Amino acid sequence: DTTVKQNPRYKLARVGKPVNLICSQTMNHDTMYWYQKKPNQAPKLLLFYYDKILNREADTFEKFQSSRPNNSFCSLYIGSAGLEYSAMYLCASSREGTGGKEQYFGPGTRLTVL
Amino acid sequence: QQQVRQSSQSLTVWEGETAILNCSYENSAFDYFPWYQQFPGEGPALLIAIRSVSDKKEDGRFTIFFNKREKNLSLHIKDSQPGDSATYFCAAKAGSALGRLHFGAGTQLIVIP
Repeated sequence: DTTVKQNPRYKLARVGKPVNLICSQTMNHDTMYWYQKKPNQAPKLLLFYYDKILNREADTFEKFQSSRPNNSFCSLYIGSAGLEYSAMYLCASSREGTGGKEQYFGPGTRLTVL
Repeated sequence: QQQVRQSSQSLTVWEGETAILNCSYENSAFDYFPWYQQFPGEGPALLIAIRSVSDKKEDGRFTIFFNKREKNLSLHIKDSQPGDSATYFCAAKAGSALGRLHFGAGTQLIVIP
């Protein structure tokens, strides 16, 4: 099973409210990623976990939090949503440590902030 | 700064034609170049990939041509089918960079029957 699951598929949030997105995979991958995708733009890497180590990109460091309570699950947390957070959020996973390295993507969560 | 660029936002071809999707990159350290295919409502899925030691990679109707000197590559889809209609993302990664894939903005391919 090469499925990455994301919940919810659609999320409506109010400006200033928190948002929590969930991702899961059962491939025993050591690395899980979160990307932000806006129309006509490239998917932008926000952060990733390699095993238990969180790596956040410099330009999104303060905007997004994440947790990985176990190997299979990873969340993306926005403490106070702004209009600019409206986007598709893609979760992916891969096995970086032992080769392969193909990233498998989930279907995405479309976040709309009003 | 966009490190991977795809020259066309959209491309329309007739069924049976060869679709050519172009991509260029900035960073000479990139040595792995996957192409991802995305259908509406789904996440991107790996279609075909090439490493910088090769100049061509073929898989069925899909071929990547890679030019290291010019820092560009192209995906050729031979005998295009309506089912190939999707968005295609070019991506690049440096071997030493854990996990970091750099994506282009994608090319939406439409194949007209």
